[in-house]
Amino acid sequence: AQKVTQAQTEISVVEKEDVTLDCVYETRDTTYYLFWYKQPPSGELVFLIRRNSFDEQNEISGRYSWNFQKSTSSFNFTITASQVVDSAVYFCALSEASAGANNLFFGTGTRLTVIP
Amino acid sequence: NAGVTQTPKFRILKIGQSMTLQCAQDMNHNYMYWYRQDPGMGLKLIYYSVGAGITDKGEVPNGYNVSRSTTEDFPLRLELAAPSQTSVYFCASSIAHEQYFGPGTRLTVT
Repeated sequence: AQKVTQAQTEISVVEKEDVTLDCVYETRDTTYYLFWYKQPPSGELVFLIRRNSFDEQNEISGRYSWNFQKSTSSFNFTITASQVVDSAVYFCALSEASAGANNLFFGTGTRLTVIP
Repeated sequence: NAGVTQTPKFRILKIGQSMTLQCAQDMNHNYMYWYRQDPGMGLKLIYYSVGAGITDKGEVPNGYNVSRSTTEDFPLRLELAAPSQTSVYFCASSIAHEQYFGPGTRLTVT
């Protein structure tokens, strides 16, 4: 069965520090997709990134970077030089190709607080 | 494009009442979903639809019903509201493994 684990429930950092959010997943599919979503205090879900299982290249987008390692079933998210606006709950999610309808399975989220 | 819209934004129900949460999308996506998010938790799938006239159960379907008469609309029905259904409900639509979420409906059952 599929599973997404975000072991860090809450993290606090001081502004300008780097922070890494961990995500470990389980799936029997060979084709799957991994996602990160941001949920700011206003409550909406903001899409950050999608990565398919055949693409293990790391990705950088501004202050955000993602490290995908199939060998450890991890898809970690790093924020460099954190800012107060990064304070939010971050969710990692998995979609299996065999599910047929692109259903997402979410982790329980990591609440990040950036202290000014 | 308005994207995915949900109404209402907030609602308080008494135990045993019924209501329909509305969801609409204007992106012509075939796939649509309903999730619930309990406090401190991730989202869990209630129902999904792969096209008009086709719906299927997700992880937590008990106490809910859905219909999909058009591509655009995917309403979620609560027949006999229970306190356990107090949650934030998100509707989403997707194309190519990328889901677009609505703003959510915060429902309280007392």
